[in-house]
Amino acid sequence: RKEVEQDPGPFNVPEGATVAFNCTYSNSASQSFFWYRQDCRKEPKLLMSVYSSGNEDGRFTAQLNRASQYISLLIRDSKLSDSATYLCVVWAAFTDSWGKLQFGAGTQVVVTP
Amino acid sequence: EPEVTQTPSHQVTQMGQEVILRCVPISNHLYFYWYRQILGQKVEFLVSFYNNEISEKSEIFDDQFSVERPDGSNFTLKIRSTKLEDSAMYFCAAGGPHNSPLHFGNGTRLTVT
Repeated sequence: RKEVEQDPGPFNVPEGATVAFNCTYSNSASQSFFWYRQDCRKEPKLLMSVYSSGNEDGRFTAQLNRASQYISLLIRDSKLSDSATYLCVVWAAFTDSWGKLQFGAGTQVVVTP
Repeated sequence: EPEVTQTPSHQVTQMGQEVILRCVPISNHLYFYWYRQILGQKVEFLVSFYNNEISEKSEIFDDQFSVERPDGSNFTLKIRSTKLEDSAMYFCAAGGPHNSPLHFGNGTRLTVT
């Protein structure tokens, strides 16, 4: 099983619609979770951290389900500029304070006019 | 001002040549990483670096790779004898401790011919 797994998409979304997608992770000891956004041939940019209670930032809502080991991202009122690949990223710890980010392969979202 | 700056943005080299990729993180970062992304594939962890030594490396990071931070500012990745399959985007990342999100540089596109 892959450490971090995502539906690659693409999710074709009409402008103004809502889109949601999940990411599953295999390491039950994972502590921190993030959604990054990556535009074509650019660096990943942090979109939001995912807290245990879920969190919302404008049109973006992230949820964490530890029991089922997945996180989700929901985008409301999609805009053309939301077209990107969304990377699910999980922190895997080496020690209490050290670790590395494990990346999913990304979910492509294409917002159409 | 970006938190992490990478140079060059694009490097073309012949197979077998040595390349050095450079990264300049903001000085208050303590943890440094190199990741790479082959075109169309996911972001892969290469190595993490703290307190002037490697703390973890992946199986990709073989004897052809080395990292150093010689002057306390520049963080470099050296590939001693490049192979065609080393062609990828190389991202430097920096951050604080305790599973905090990382800040990625804008990447160096390495093309090995």
